[in-house]
Parts: sequence; structure tokens; C-alpha cells
Amino acid sequence: AQTVTQSQPEMSVQEAETVTLSCTYDTSESDYYLFWYKQPPSRQMILVIRQEAYKQQNATENRFSVNFQKAAKSFSLKISDSQLGDAAMYFCAYRSMGQFYFGTGTSLTVIP
Amino acid sequence: DAGVIQSPRHEVTEMGQEVTLRCKPISGHDYLFWYRQTMMRGLELLIYFNNNVPIDDSGMPEDRFSAKMPNASFSTLKIQPSEPRDSAVYFCASTFGGSSYNEQFFGPGTRLTVL
Repeated sequence: AQTVTQSQPEMSVQEAETVTLSCTYDTSESDYYLFWYKQPPSRQMILVIRQEAYKQQNATENRFSVNFQKAAKSFSLKISDSQLGDAAMYFCAYRSMGQFYFGTGTSLTVIP
Repeated sequence: DAGVIQSPRHEVTEMGQEVTLRCKPISGHDYLFWYRQTMMRGLELLIYFNNNVPIDDSGMPEDRFSAKMPNASFSTLKIQPSEPRDSAVYFCASTFGGSSYNEQFFGPGTRLTVL
């Protein structure tokens, strides 16, 4: 069965600094996608970034990038130049075919 | 597109009452998901549909919960009778199954409070 693990329930970062959120997953499949979602206090779930498993190149979206290690089944999110608006709950998710699997989330605090 | 629409946004009810949550997925999406989010249990998948057919309802907590999707543009999640432990935020999400590249699009959620 596919599982997604986020081992850091809470993280904090100083404004303008860099923080990395961890995510590992377990699967026996070779074709899948990975996603990071952000959930701010408004509760709206927002896609931050996605990674295709067959691509070795790490995805990047502005200040957000991932470190995808397929063999290790690791998919961490790096936030550079952290801003106050980055404070949120972050969820890692795995998709294969129609099914999605979410981690338990990491609550990120940004310290001014 | 207006995105995934959920109603009501907030619902306060008394224990024992029937509660119906509604969802309109994004047009063209063929997968629809219902989630429940609480502080204690995080984000839980309750049930998901593909082309209006329930595929996996193993996350539905008990027989008090039921979900339907009578057509491609509408789904309901019903709790009867409701209990205080059902208090949570309920999310509906949809996606297109043509490729695993496609992410889920979430609605704004319904905050349910059962007194």
C-alpha cells in the first residue's frame, strides 16, 4: 500500500531564510506524481509544486524547489527567502492513477 | 472556471440532526473526492468517485455517513444522525483522470459543528 510520511509536525524559519520540509513515501509503482500543497489559515488548499517520478530533474517554482530522490523515495520541499505569507500547513501528496495519498502535514511558522 | 464549489461554508447543527454537504466539481473532471480534516486525525479520505461511481468508500467512518454522485456536476455527503465527534472541516476535491500529472483542486471546505 502507498503511504506518505511527513516526520516534522512543526517547523519554523526566520523571515528571508531557507527551510526544508521532509516527505517520504512508499510505493512499488514506477509511474507516479508527487505534489506539495499549502494550506494557509484560510483553509484553501493550494498547489505549490509537482514532480514527475520519471524526471530526474528537480522541479522549481520561483522560491519553491524540491529535492526528489527516487531511490530513497524522498521528496522534500525547499522554501528560499521565506516570507510571512509562507506560514501555513504544508502537505505532501502522491498520485498514481486516480488515487491520491496525503501526508499528515507540517505546520510552518515564519518568524519576522 | 469557478473552481470546486461547496455549500454550505459553515454548518452548525445539533446532535441527532441530519446534515447534507454539497459539492460541485470543476466541469470536465471525472474524479471527485470527499475528505475530512480535524486537528487530531489530519486530512482523511472518506470516499472517491470516478465517472459518478464510488470507487473506494473504505474511509467512511460508519453507516451514518453516505455519499452520492447522481451526475457529473453534483455530489452530496450526508451524515444521519450527526454526532459531536463529526465536527470537522469537510473538503470536496476534483481532478481529471486523464493523467496522473493533474493535481486535485479543492473546494473551500465546509466547517461543520455538531453541538
